[in-house]
Amino acid sequence: GEDVEQSLFLSVREGDSSVINCTYTDSSSTYLYWYKQEPGAGLQLLTYIFSNMDMKQDQRLTVLLNKKDKHLSLRIADTQTGDSAIYFCAETPGSSNTGKLIFGQGTTLQVKP
Amino acid sequence: EAGVVQSPRYKIIEKKQPVAFWCNPISGHNTLYWYLQNLGQGPELLIRYENEEAVDDSQLPKDRFSAERLKGVDSTLKIQPAELGDSAVYLCASSSAGGDNEQFFGPGTRLTVL
Repeated sequence: GEDVEQSLFLSVREGDSSVINCTYTDSSSTYLYWYKQEPGAGLQLLTYIFSNMDMKQDQRLTVLLNKKDKHLSLRIADTQTGDSAIYFCAETPGSSNTGKLIFGQGTTLQVKP
Repeated sequence: EAGVVQSPRYKIIEKKQPVAFWCNPISGHNTLYWYLQNLGQGPELLIRYENEEAVDDSQLPKDRFSAERLKGVDSTLKIQPAELGDSAVYLCASSSAGGDNEQFFGPGTRLTVL
């Protein structure tokens, strides 16, 4: 079946690095995504990685993909208070891009000043 | 460029009443999605449209939920009658054709059923 799991909560101090982890079950996922949701707002795409990549870096964000273990992580360098939000991992199941996204339950990131 | 627009932002109704949500996707996006987000959970797909055609509605509870996208642009999602368990945030998203399937989300409609 299709399932995406995340830890529920992470607390870090401002300036530290944050690492949010995610595991998924569908080994044929084409793309894997990280979305950010601030209170009362919709989801904002932060970054994504294609399944044939191991790593992707975009400014303060680093995504690592371990296909063997079906593990995805998002590292935020120099975490700021404005990074406090809920972070969702999502996958597109199946070998073709059907448009369907399967989301994890979200990780709440709390950044303390 | 305007993002995905949804209205209303908040809706409070009594159980057994009907309710409708409206979504205007980003101009030029031919794929439109409706998601349900329960408190403390990630969004779950209800229905996906390619232009005016519903291509994936397997998760839509068809006994009380309906959706339409008549001209392939705006869409409405309706619940009739609403139940207490329908209290949630209803998110609309849109995307253009392309391999990375970047979906742009609206702010959502928060429904409270009393």
